[in-house]
Amino acid sequence: DQQVKQNSPSLSVQEGRISILNCDYTNSMFDYFLWYKKYPAEGPTFLISISSIKDKNEDGRFTVFLNKSAKHLSLHIVPSQPGDSAVYFCAAFSRGVTQGGSEKLVFGKGTKLTVNP
Amino acid sequence: NAGVTQTPKFRILKIGQSMTLQCTQDMNHNYMYWYRQDPGMGLKLIYYSVGAGITDKGEVPNGYNVSRSTTEDFPLRLELAAPSQTSVYFCASSSPSGGGNTEAFFGQGTRLTVV
Repeated sequence: DQQVKQNSPSLSVQEGRISILNCDYTNSMFDYFLWYKKYPAEGPTFLISISSIKDKNEDGRFTVFLNKSAKHLSLHIVPSQPGDSAVYFCAAFSRGVTQGGSEKLVFGKGTKLTVNP
Repeated sequence: NAGVTQTPKFRILKIGQSMTLQCTQDMNHNYMYWYRQDPGMGLKLIYYSVGAGITDKGEVPNGYNVSRSTTEDFPLRLELAAPSQTSVYFCASSSPSGGGNTEAFFGQGTRLTVV
C-alpha cells in the first residue's frame, strides 16, 4: 500500500516555463513533507519542505503547496531551467510516539523532469 | 565537509556471497537510514537507527542486518546475497528537531549487482 504517490513518472517542460510536480498521500498522520532532487549516479539532495501546519513554502524558484483536505502537495518550479532536469521525489514523515521517536521518510516513486532548452 | 560517505560505490557479488556496505557520517546525526532503490521505484527503507545501540526494521529488512555501535557508522550486512538484492543502496542521516526541518542527507549510493 503506497502511502506517498507520484502518479506522473515523467514531465517535460520548456525552459522558462513553470514545472508542476504533484504528489498525493494517504496517511493523515504525516507531519512534514519534503521534496528531494536526484541526478543520475548521485544520492538524493534535499530541495524544500513544508510542515503540515502550513499551506505554502517558498524558496527562490521553488514553491511547495500543501492541500491537507485533499491530501495533495505540489512543487512549482518557475522559471524552469535545464539544470533542473532530474528525478524529483516527494517524501513524507511522521513522528512516532515512542521514546526517541520513529522518524523515517516515506518516499514516492519519483517524477523525472526534463527541461528542454 | 564529507557529509555521508558510502563505500564501495560499485560491487558485483555472486549468489550466496556476503558483504558489508559501509556508511559513515561526520555531522553527529543521531538518525541514520538504509534505503534501496530499484529501477523505476522510489526509495524503500531497509533499516534505520535513532542512535548508537538502537536499530529497527524498515519496510524491506529481509536478507539484511545492521549494527550501530557508534554515532558515526551504520554498516549494512548482506549475509547470503540473492539476485533480488540487486539494487542501488543509499545511506542517509538526519538530526530531527522538535518542529524543525527534518531533511536527511544522503550518500552517493552503492550499486550492487548479484549474479
